[in-house]
Amino acid sequence: EAGVTQFPSHSVIEKGQTVTLRCDPISGHDNLYWYRRVMGKEIKFLLHFVKESKQDESGMPNNRFLAERTGGTYSTLKVQPAELEDSGVYFCASSRPGVPYEQYFGPGTRLTVT
Amino acid sequence: SQQGEEDPQALSIQEGENATMNCSYKTSINNLQWYRQNSGRGLVHLILIRSNEREKHSGRLRVTLDTSKKSSSLLITASRAADTASYFCATDAGYGGATNKLIFGTGTLLAVQP
Repeated sequence: EAGVTQFPSHSVIEKGQTVTLRCDPISGHDNLYWYRRVMGKEIKFLLHFVKESKQDESGMPNNRFLAERTGGTYSTLKVQPAELEDSGVYFCASSRPGVPYEQYFGPGTRLTVT
Repeated sequence: SQQGEEDPQALSIQEGENATMNCSYKTSINNLQWYRQNSGRGLVHLILIRSNEREKHSGRLRVTLDTSKKSSSLLITASRAADTASYFCATDAGYGGATNKLIFGTGTLLAVQP
């Protein structure tokens, strides 16, 4: 069974530019989560999809962040325009219906905003 | 506010020794999990302990949970150089469970010297 995959693994962009991160969950996992770790701090929740619906987006920092999961398969997280404080590692996780807390994480995308 | 806090922040031991990491949290939980992150890689799920459990074993891992003290410990016995990684505890909160988002601590950086 393939694990959660994320693309790209690393992105370096300038302040003000746009970046789109992609996450492919494990097949059959309805739950998809985005988290990020900024500057060596704790890993923080951003949002949660159940299929294509946003279940909880309470962790999204501001309206420069837009997450989508069209069709309930892969998800994208767009940052527009990027700011310096957005630098960090963005993790995606997925879990099966009925066992949402058993989350399988992808390798993360390291975003560097210069 | 930060849910999970781990101590120590960093731990250096010799191969063959045991490593103990502690985690404290603030609110009621459903489950507590431990994850490992090797440098540049994603989070790997190690073990889950439910709020009604006190101790759990998996291979060289032993996890304890004390809900009265809101704390957990992870013991790695007979450590190996390959155990070098950051270790995080993560809780999913008891409120409603609609999201089951995970709340992470800042992690313990374990270095096992060969």
